Amino acid sequence: KNEVEQSPQNLTAQEGEFITINCSYSVGISALHWLQQHPGGGIVSLFMLSSGKKKHGRLIATINIQEKHSSLHITASHPRDSAVYICAVRQGGSEKLVFGKGTKLTVNP
Amino acid sequence: DAGVTQSPTHLIKTRGQQVTLRCSPKSGHDTVSWYQQALGQGPQFIFQYYEEEERQRGNFPDRFSGHQFPNYSSELNVNALLLGDSALYLCASSLMQRGARFFGPGTRLTVL
Repeated sequence: KNEVEQSPQNLTAQEGEFITINCSYSVGISALHWLQQHPGGGIVSLFMLSSGKKKHGRLIATINIQEKHSSLHITASHPRDSAVYICAVRQGGSEKLVFGKGTKLTVNP
Repeated sequence: DAGVTQSPTHLIKTRGQQVTLRCSPKSGHDTVSWYQQALGQGPQFIFQYYEEEERQRGNFPDRFSGHQFPNYSSELNVNALLLGDSALYLCASSLMQRGARFFGPGTRLTVL
């Protein structure tokens, strides 16, 4: 079992829909990252969380430390949101990031 | 303020050859981490450099080695290339203990 599990693996939505991507992890962490990767490979860091909730524009990230679970929400989705969204955790006492396999999001116009 | 830069963008090598990939961290960052991302997979941690020393290492063979220079830039070297080394190699910089990672665009290595 992977230390970081994401669901769903693939997600197709219509423009304007509300999107939720989930991440569960099995290790103690000091921080959780949500990353966005577009075709071609470049990765953009969206959020780094250690507790609670963060919001940036149409993106919202939440984390529940007790349940070892985080969600990334996209409101009013747009075709330009199409990308792979990756959850990564930094284990306590370590600088190493452990990555999930990613969720491929496709938003159709 | 330049972000993380990597060179080259693409590289084609043959089995058995050696390759060097380069990374310049974001201005003000002192820590560089390297990751390997195979097609369809999440990135895998290779190692991290801080103060010119390898601080942590993932589950990669000794064929993978690195270096960090006094200006914080870093190199990843892979010897005796195998077909399975074909991947996107990502570099990320951060301030030690701060955690916020900034990723470079990656180097796509193809081994024939």
